[in-house]
Amino acid sequence: AQSVTQLGSHVSVSEGALVLLRCNYSSSVPPYLFWYVQYPNQGLQLLLKYTSAATLVKGINGFEAEFKKSETSFHLTKPSAHMSDAAEYFCAVSPTGTASKLTFGTGTRLQVTL
Amino acid sequence: NAGVTQTPKFRVLKTGQSMTLLCAQDMNHEYMYWYRQDPGMGLRLIHYSVGEGTTAKGEVPDGYNVSRLKKQNFLLGLESAAPSQTSVYFCASRHTGENYGYTFGSGTRLTVV
Repeated sequence: AQSVTQLGSHVSVSEGALVLLRCNYSSSVPPYLFWYVQYPNQGLQLLLKYTSAATLVKGINGFEAEFKKSETSFHLTKPSAHMSDAAEYFCAVSPTGTASKLTFGTGTRLQVTL
Repeated sequence: NAGVTQTPKFRVLKTGQSMTLLCAQDMNHEYMYWYRQDPGMGLRLIHYSVGEGTTAKGEVPDGYNVSRLKKQNFLLGLESAAPSQTSVYFCASRHTGENYGYTFGSGTRLTVV
């Protein structure tokens, strides 16, 4: 079975600082990987996804993530945090193939301070 | 606008009552999913469907039933609600292409008292 682990349930950064949210996956074969963002009282919005093309994936709102097979990681980064980035972020994994299902991590709540 | 629509958005049930949550998508997606979100636990898959007339169990199926009579609709039923089913429920759909993406609804907040 596939799984993801998100290190740190809460992360706090200053506005303008680097954002780093960690995600490690467990899978016998390289899977598809996703990052979603959830703003308060809203649904999930896709930030970016890795589907076995380029290992450095650029997403919306200035976020990017790098797939590192040797480290089984897919960490999310953003060079400079904005107040509007405050939200909960979920990493998710899915096996390749058509009949696949997303398995989510437990989430990381990002706080951005002045 | 194309997307996934969930109804209702909020509901309060008494223990033992039943209800049905509706998920509708207008993107002609084959696959549909029901997740529940609880604090500190992320989203967990309840049931899913890979096409009209099909359903399958996910990670936490107990206490729920589903039906997919029409391709565009995926219904989640609670026959006898329990306080442990207090949660936020999300529906999602996706197409079958290799470069797929999941589209999520805005959620249903259910409280069982």
